Amino acid sequence: GAVVSQHPSRVICKSGTSVKIECRSLDFQATTMFWYRQFPKQSLMLMATSNEGSKATYEQGVEKDKFLINHASLTLSTLTVTSAHPEDSSFYICSARGGGRGPSSYEQYFGPGTRLTVT
Amino acid sequence: SQKIEQNSEALNIQEGKTATLTCNYTNYSPAYLQWYRQDPGRGPVFLLLIRENEKEKRKERLKVTFDTTLKQSLFHITASQPADSATYLCALAPPLDIFGTGTRLQVFP
Repeated sequence: GAVVSQHPSRVICKSGTSVKIECRSLDFQATTMFWYRQFPKQSLMLMATSNEGSKATYEQGVEKDKFLINHASLTLSTLTVTSAHPEDSSFYICSARGGGRGPSSYEQYFGPGTRLTVT
Repeated sequence: SQKIEQNSEALNIQEGKTATLTCNYTNYSPAYLQWYRQDPGRGPVFLLLIRENEKEKRKERLKVTFDTTLKQSLFHITASQPADSATYLCALAPPLDIFGTGTRLQVFP
């Protein structure tokens, strides 16, 4: 099946610094990638949707200047948390879709997630 | 606004029994409904997709039903095993991708 990787899996940073998380589709071209965050025992919260070569669409309440998303190629999207604060500590998960038509085009393939801790 | 509801309480069942999880939604008419499995500290894994014109779909020990009148999907795991213990999420699409909060399933020997 389709594989999506994320790097790093865990990161600890100091308050005020920026952190970049990479999401790669390893064996397919991802026309659409999603970024989620998940707090303990809570559901996935969609942060933004990005299509290759265009600007990301952010969900209401998500600061686009704080969470910078770049989808420069069909296999790579990055999320940069700028000027991180302790409240940004969370589990960040990316997913990808390959596009095309039909129901299978709506299947999302998730990365393993990145645990961010801001001290 | 669109809303998905899954039982927030954990479901505890004995090994070998059938687990049934419920997903209800409102203010939406999705073309597809999906089920995912998520283990702690991991990203969700796609399990099954069912179309609005399909009433039932099966995959090995998994069975999903989709009732567009009731706006409900049921997810069954037959002959459950401790390895089935995880959180199961339902999701709706298109055009929006909306995930439920998930139901934690615990299968004990």
